Order: sequence, then C-alpha cells, then structure tokens
Amino acid sequence: AQTVTQSQPEMSVQEAETVTLSCTYDTSENNYYLFWYKQPPSRQMILVIRQEAYKQQNATENRFSVNFQKAAKSFSLKISDSQLGDTAMYFCAFMIPNRDDKIIFGKGTRLHILP
Amino acid sequence: GAVVSQHPSWVICKSGTSVKIECRSLDFQATTMFWYRQFPKQSLMLMATSNEGSKATYEQGVEKDKFLINHASLTLSTLTVTSAHPEDSSFYICSAHQSLFSDYGYTFGSGTRLTVV
Repeated sequence: AQTVTQSQPEMSVQEAETVTLSCTYDTSENNYYLFWYKQPPSRQMILVIRQEAYKQQNATENRFSVNFQKAAKSFSLKISDSQLGDTAMYFCAFMIPNRDDKIIFGKGTRLHILP
Repeated sequence: GAVVSQHPSWVICKSGTSVKIECRSLDFQATTMFWYRQFPKQSLMLMATSNEGSKATYEQGVEKDKFLINHASLTLSTLTVTSAHPEDSSFYICSAHQSLFSDYGYTFGSGTRLTVV
C-alpha cells in the first residue's frame, strides 16, 4: 500500500522568508505522480505543483519548487519569498496513473506566514 | 480552466433524514469522480471512486448503503448521505478527473459542510 507522510504538523515563518515543507512516501511502483496541494481557509483545494516520477528535473512554479529525491522517496516543497496569502494547509499527495488514479493525501502541514 | 461546481456549500439537516450533494463538471467530462471526507484540521480521506455508468468503488470502512454515490452522466455525480446522524457531520469534497487529460488534472469542488443535528 502507498503511504504519504508529512512530519511537520504546523510551521510558522516571517513574510518574505523561505520555508521548506517535507514529505516522504512509500511505494514499490516506479511510475507515479506527486503533488502538493494548498487548502486556504476557504477550503478550496488548489494544485500548487506536480512532479512526474520519471522526470529527474525538479518541478518549479514561480515561487514554488520541489526537491524530488526518488531513491530516498522524498518530495519537499520550497516556498520562496513567502507571502501572507501562502497561509494555508499544504497537503502532499501521491497517485499511480493508469490504475485507479486515486490520490492519496498526507496529513498536511499547517503553514502560517507572519507579517 | 476546468471547474467543478459543488452544491450545496453547506447544509444542516435533522438526524434520520437524507442529504444529497451534487458535483457538476462545468466545462469538461469527468470520467471519474472521487468523493472525500475531511474532519476539522485533518486530511482528506477518500470515501469512494465513481466512474460514469458503473457502480462506485468504496474504500474500506465506508458504508456503501449509507453513502450512496451516483454517477449517471459524465458531468454529474451525487453523494447521498442516508439516515444521517451527528457523526456524519463533516466536510465533503468531490474531485473530478478526466483520464484523457495528459497532465492528470484533478479539479476539486468547493466542498460541502454537512451538519446533522
């Protein structure tokens, strides 16, 4: 069975600082997708970034980047120049394509950006 | 971009009654719809997966007779909580997936807060 572990339940950083959220996963599959989702107080799930396991290059989306270490089964999210609007729950998630396509979520990290 | 409309956004019902939650994909056809439940300050727990025109697949521990899922068309899936009880109070979220999307896109509804009194 696939599992996703987020070891940081809650974090706080000052605005404009850089913060890294950690995520590890466990699977015996070789082809899979990893995601980071953001859930702000509105509770709408928002895709932050996605990484395909077969791609060695780390995905980036503006201020958001990942450090994907396939051998270590690690998938951390770095938020640069953090903004107040980044305050949210962040979920790391995992999916195996062409099987059931269901996303398995980690328990989440609550991130507070302090003014 | 892809939009999933979920209604109602919140509902209060009496114990013993049934509540239906709808999710519609507005500008694409969702071959698969996932239904999640989220307790306060917790993660999303997958309840079931439904494919258009077929029976839903429920996760272990989810009562299929209590949480009825219908996916009658490629744009509409419904979750009916039957004979609701206070312990069913939760936040329910749907997520639509179109397998033909090359980027494995998932679009989430805005969620439904159910309170059973």
